[in-house]
Amino acid sequence: NAGVMQNPRHLVRRRGQEARLRCSPMKGHSHVYWYRQLPEEGLKFMVYLQKENIIDESGMPKERFSAEFPKEGPSILRIQQVVRGDSAAYFCASSPFDRQGLDTEAFFGQGTRLTVV
Amino acid sequence: AQSVTQLGSHVSVSEGALVLLRCNYSSSVPPYLFWYVQYPNQGLQLLLKYTSAATLVKGINGFEAEFKKSETSFHLTKPSAHMSDAAEYFCAVSLSNFGNEKLTFGTGTRLTIIP
Repeated sequence: NAGVMQNPRHLVRRRGQEARLRCSPMKGHSHVYWYRQLPEEGLKFMVYLQKENIIDESGMPKERFSAEFPKEGPSILRIQQVVRGDSAAYFCASSPFDRQGLDTEAFFGQGTRLTVV
Repeated sequence: AQSVTQLGSHVSVSEGALVLLRCNYSSSVPPYLFWYVQYPNQGLQLLLKYTSAATLVKGINGFEAEFKKSETSFHLTKPSAHMSDAAEYFCAVSLSNFGNEKLTFGTGTRLTIIP
C-alpha cells in the first residue's frame, strides 16, 4: 500500500504564474487535508476535503487559493498568480473514514516545496 | 480555539542521555494531542497520540509522552537518545471528534544528538 503521494516534490514558479500541487491519498482514504509550512514555522492547516466536498476551508487565504478533491483522481491545491510569500512547503495528509476516529491517524506525504522567483 | 507552545526551538543532548521535549497546550475542551517527527525533506510521521485513554502514551522508537491536565502539558521523552533521533519534532492538538482533523501544530523543536 503506497503512502500519500505528492507531486511534484519541488516546484519553481515565477511571480504571477499558477502553481498546481497534487496529492494522491492512501488507498481507501477518503479524507484529505492540506497544510502549509513556512520557513522556520510549524504546519498551518489550510483545508479539509472529502470526495467532491470541501468540509473546512477556514485556513485558506481568501484569494488566489483553491482546492478540490474530485470523485476520480488526486486532490489539487491551486495557487493562482503566485507571489514570493507563497514560497513554502505544502503538505497533504489523508485518513480513512472512521466515525470513531480514535484508532486512525492522518498519514502525511513528503510535501511539495514551492519556490516563487 | 486551541494552541500549542513548544518550549525550545533547538535542543541538544548527548547520545545515550535523556531526551525531553516540552509541549504545552491551550484548549477549551478536552483535546487530542499528538507528537510528529519530521526528518529532513520528508513528511511528518506520527510518533504517538493521546486520545483520552491512558495518560501515559507509548509511541514508536522508544518515545513516550504523559498527558498532565493540571499542567496542560504533553512533554515527549525518551530515556536514551540515539543518533537516529536527530530530527524536528512537532507537537499538535486537535479538537475534532474524530481526532485527526484540523491539527494545530507548534513551531517545532529541532533535536540534535551529540556523539
